Amino acid sequence: GAVVSQHPSWVICKSGTSVKIECRSLDFQATTMFWYRQFPKQSLMLMATSNEGSKATYEQGVEKDKFLINHASLTLSTLTVTSAHPEDSSFYICSAAGFTRGKLFFGSGTQLSVL
Amino acid sequence: KNEVEQSPQNLTAQEGEFITINCSYSVGISALHWLQQHPGGGIVSLFMLSSGKKKHGRLIATINIQEKHSSLHITASHPRDSAVYICAVELQGGSEKLVFGKGTKLTVNP
Repeated sequence: GAVVSQHPSWVICKSGTSVKIECRSLDFQATTMFWYRQFPKQSLMLMATSNEGSKATYEQGVEKDKFLINHASLTLSTLTVTSAHPEDSSFYICSAAGFTRGKLFFGSGTQLSVL
Repeated sequence: KNEVEQSPQNLTAQEGEFITINCSYSVGISALHWLQQHPGGGIVSLFMLSSGKKKHGRLIATINIQEKHSSLHITASHPRDSAVYICAVELQGGSEKLVFGKGTKLTVNP
């Protein structure tokens, strides 16, 4: 089946540094990728939608200058958490939508801890 | 009030029991997804429904559009079914954006 690879799976960084998370669709072309955040015991929350070759669409309350999304190809989207702070510590997960309507494939997630 | 409500929040069962997880939503949707999230965080898509019923192995998902309600059933539950099951709705408009329930943590004991 289709696979979405997400790296890294776990990262610890110091406050003020930037962290890049990659999401790759390995065997299909993803026209759209979604980035979600999940705090402990909370629902997944959509942060932004990225479409290949165009600017990402951010959900209300998500700072686009802090969470930089790049979707430069049909197989790769990146989320960069800039100037990370402890409150950015969370589980980040991506999903990719292929050309087949309705099939969503999720990455394995990234647990970010900012000290 | 959340747009997507799941019940129960936690569920413990003995191996072999029949499991039902419920999902109610209050918005117009184009589809409803059932997802499985394992302890490490990875998420697997189980079903996408827009009407009726779907079955895959021991898993059955149903949806009633009029009542805005869906159920996920697991027959002959097994400890490996232990996970968080998440209901997510795709809002009308075809954007494929999902709104998630908080999930149901299922533990199946041997």
